[in-house]
Amino acid sequence: KAGVTQTPRYLIKTRGQQVTLSCSPISGHRSVSWYQQTPGQGLQFLFEYFSETQRNKGNFPGRFSGRQFSNSRSEMNVSTLELGDSALYLCASSLGAGGETQYFGPGTRLLVL
Amino acid sequence: KNEVEQSPQNLTAQEGEFITINCSYSVGISALHWLQQHPGGGIVSLFMLSSGKKKHGRLIATINIREKHSSLHITASHPRDSAVYICALHSGTYKYIFGTGTRLKVLA
Repeated sequence: KAGVTQTPRYLIKTRGQQVTLSCSPISGHRSVSWYQQTPGQGLQFLFEYFSETQRNKGNFPGRFSGRQFSNSRSEMNVSTLELGDSALYLCASSLGAGGETQYFGPGTRLLVL
Repeated sequence: KNEVEQSPQNLTAQEGEFITINCSYSVGISALHWLQQHPGGGIVSLFMLSSGKKKHGRLIATINIREKHSSLHITASHPRDSAVYICALHSGTYKYIFGTGTRLKVLA
């Protein structure tokens, strides 16, 4: 079975731009979660989707949004990028929601200049 | 006070040593995960615990729900165990909370 894939793997943007990141979960997995990892803040939860519904959202501003499609693929969008948005963005999938074992993708490394 | 505390932050061990990493938390949880992150960023989920103890190869994870504490043990440590180990809580409100991680270096 193919693992979780994320595209693109690396991205350079400038302040004020917007970005869309994509995550394809393991086949059959219906839950996708997104995380931001920075040297200063560590890993932080962005949001979790299950069957196209957002189940919960972390403490991030409204510039961070996401969605999940009927095939369980998910995208996250960050609008009006700030320098502090430079981070590794990870997605993880699981069969169901509610704390099940998650399988992580390789991440998208975003640099905002 | 942080909702989850990990200790130690950094750990250097000699190959073959027994290693313990601790995680204490202050919130109600539905599950606790131990994650391993190697240089380069890839994260692997090692264990998911809601009670008791689990073992996988040289790794053992325990959780005491009443004391809100979990430990990850590595027996007969090896240089390939060098990584950052992260404790992650799944709270009852479907929110994930992460520890700051323990950076482990095992010397040959």
